[in-house]
Amino acid sequence: GAGVSQSPSNKVTEKGKDVELRCDPISGHTALYWYRQSLGQGLEFLIYFQGNSAPDKSGLPSDRFSAERTGGSVSTLTIQRTQQEDSAVYLCASSEMVNTEAFFGQGTRLTVV
Amino acid sequence: DAKTTQPPSMDCAEGRAANLPCNHSTISGNEYVYWYRQIHSQGPQYIIHGLKNNETNEMASLIITEDRKSSTLILPHATLRDTAVYYCIVRVIGSGTNAGKSTFGDGTTLTVKP
Repeated sequence: GAGVSQSPSNKVTEKGKDVELRCDPISGHTALYWYRQSLGQGLEFLIYFQGNSAPDKSGLPSDRFSAERTGGSVSTLTIQRTQQEDSAVYLCASSEMVNTEAFFGQGTRLTVV
Repeated sequence: DAKTTQPPSMDCAEGRAANLPCNHSTISGNEYVYWYRQIHSQGPQYIIHGLKNNETNEMASLIITEDRKSSTLILPHATLRDTAVYYCIVRVIGSGTNAGKSTFGDGTTLTVKP
């Protein structure tokens, strides 16, 4: 595709439900990043994938968060038992390699009610 | 991870150069400096990056001090559309455990005024 695609663009969920966020990186990009941005705040790094290598999960805020990347392409970020503090915009980015510029998607706005 | 610090806000007159500073005094040898900007409700947009040499592209120039402890993003002729939050980012390169991990600053809100 022309850019990084994220779905859904908006998600409203009830507290305690699980949600799955999807990211389609730019074709051919081996690196993929997930960030979280709370209202009025900067970007918080969550996790990074390089090809099929195991990711560094240390940035995930709790064990309710998990992420995977199938076949080195599409990635999903899953939040289990959502809490109100999980409400934020979740941004995905991809880059051709780890030291090249990253292109961001428009994000998924998650609201936990 | 190296942390970055930026002034929370800056103003610039339209048509003048905007100089946005960033401090990254704990940067390590395998970390690049990246700049992004975010216009309200949009995803961040890449501007420029560098390791130790000054860089220039069609959007901006990046000046990195010789000791690499700070950098300045220069928008040579700011326009009203350059009003945004500008983030200075330090990113680890390579294939180690922290490769790809980005430490974001709080960003500088640049307001370009007519």
